[in-house]
Amino acid sequence: KAGVTQTPRYLIKTRGQQVTLSCSPISGHRSVSWYQQTPGQGLQFLFEYFSETQRNKGNFPGRFSGRQFSNSRSEMNVSTLELGDSALYLCASSRQRTLNTGELFFGEGSRLTVL
Amino acid sequence: AQSVTQPDIHITVSEGASLELRCNYSYGATPYLFWYVQSPGQGLQLLLKYFSGDTLVQGIKGFEAEFKRSQSSFNLRKPSVHWSDAAEYFCAVGPPRQDFGNEKLTFGTGTRLTIIP
Repeated sequence: KAGVTQTPRYLIKTRGQQVTLSCSPISGHRSVSWYQQTPGQGLQFLFEYFSETQRNKGNFPGRFSGRQFSNSRSEMNVSTLELGDSALYLCASSRQRTLNTGELFFGEGSRLTVL
Repeated sequence: AQSVTQPDIHITVSEGASLELRCNYSYGATPYLFWYVQSPGQGLQLLLKYFSGDTLVQGIKGFEAEFKRSQSSFNLRKPSVHWSDAAEYFCAVGPPRQDFGNEKLTFGTGTRLTIIP
């Protein structure tokens, strides 16, 4: 079955712009989590969505937001981009909310470069 | 707060040699433990996980890991590495129960593995 699909794979933006990233989870998976990966900070949790509701949020400013649709697809948005937002944004899906039932399945990521 | 330490940033081993990647964690209770692998330009793939029970867990691609409660460690091992094992490896911890509001993985900073012929 198809894995987690993230679009776009690569994008370049300039400071002050905003960006929207999309994630389609594995069919039947209802939870979608987002992580930011940078060389300096490593993998940092952004937020988790389940049944169209944000269930958990990491320590990121309000410029980072997301949503989940009824078909479990998720989008994340970053407004007023800063140079430090350059990163690989990874989406992960799982069948249920809790981690004790299985694993996170990651997409290949969206690489954002802010100039 | 939970944390994960991978003390080795970069490891180089010869093809066919054994491998051990170290991982130490800090958590209030015994967390769920994971090892993920990331190949260049790719997302993360789960190698193995520990929830409870036998402290030696087997994963995919011939990897295994041993949970040692007394040392708060979860080291990854492979008896004989292949060139295709070159990648970055991440250890992660997750909450051991339905800790609503804290259901996330906390990752280590990763260990880059280089394989030489």
